[in-house]
Amino acid sequence: GAGVSQSPSNKVTEKGKDVELRCDPISGHTALYWYRQRLGQGLEFLIYFQGNSAPDKSGLPSDRFSAERTGESVSTLTIQRTQQEDSAVYLCASSLRVASRRTGTDTQYFGPGTRLTVL
Amino acid sequence: ELKVEQNPLFLSMQEGKNYTIYCNYSTTSDRLYWYRQDPGKSLESLFVLLSNGAVKQEGRLMASLDTKARLSTLHITAAVHDLSATYFCAVDFLGETSGSRLTFGEGTQLTVNP
Repeated sequence: GAGVSQSPSNKVTEKGKDVELRCDPISGHTALYWYRQRLGQGLEFLIYFQGNSAPDKSGLPSDRFSAERTGESVSTLTIQRTQQEDSAVYLCASSLRVASRRTGTDTQYFGPGTRLTVL
Repeated sequence: ELKVEQNPLFLSMQEGKNYTIYCNYSTTSDRLYWYRQDPGKSLESLFVLLSNGAVKQEGRLMASLDTKARLSTLHITAAVHDLSATYFCAVDFLGETSGSRLTFGEGTQLTVNP
């Protein structure tokens, strides 16, 4: 595909239910990132993947949040027992490679996001 | 903890005027990015600034970076309505081998009035 895609675009759920959010990165991009954007705020980093492994999970807000990536492609962010404070837009981004001082930077390209509303 | 602060958070300006958005960050950073976000849309990459003194220009937007002052500016020249959007700066600190985790400012909501 031409860009990063995410599904669903909107999700309304009841407090206490589990939700799964999906991200399809740009083909060939080895790095994948999840961010959360609360209403009127900037983005908060959640987790990133290098290939299928997640070296940095420190941004996940609680143990109710988990993510996985398979086949160096699709990633799923799962939120268990959703709470109202989980309501936000969840954005996924991908880049060609993982940036580091050795490899240099690499621009992250963002998907359209999934708007999650927890009632 | 890396903190990124933008100001102003809200900016209403007339078409044809010039203005500057400021982005301050709290610790040494390797890279600084500017993104644009239209309402209900995702983020579009505008600029990546890699070193002290870097200046990049695209149309009516010009971004600069002063790593000693830990300051980046996004200058708007002769604003037009199409520039109305929210602008975010983001910084990252790269480990020797670890990946980038961007830290974003709060965003500047720009409205250009005819």
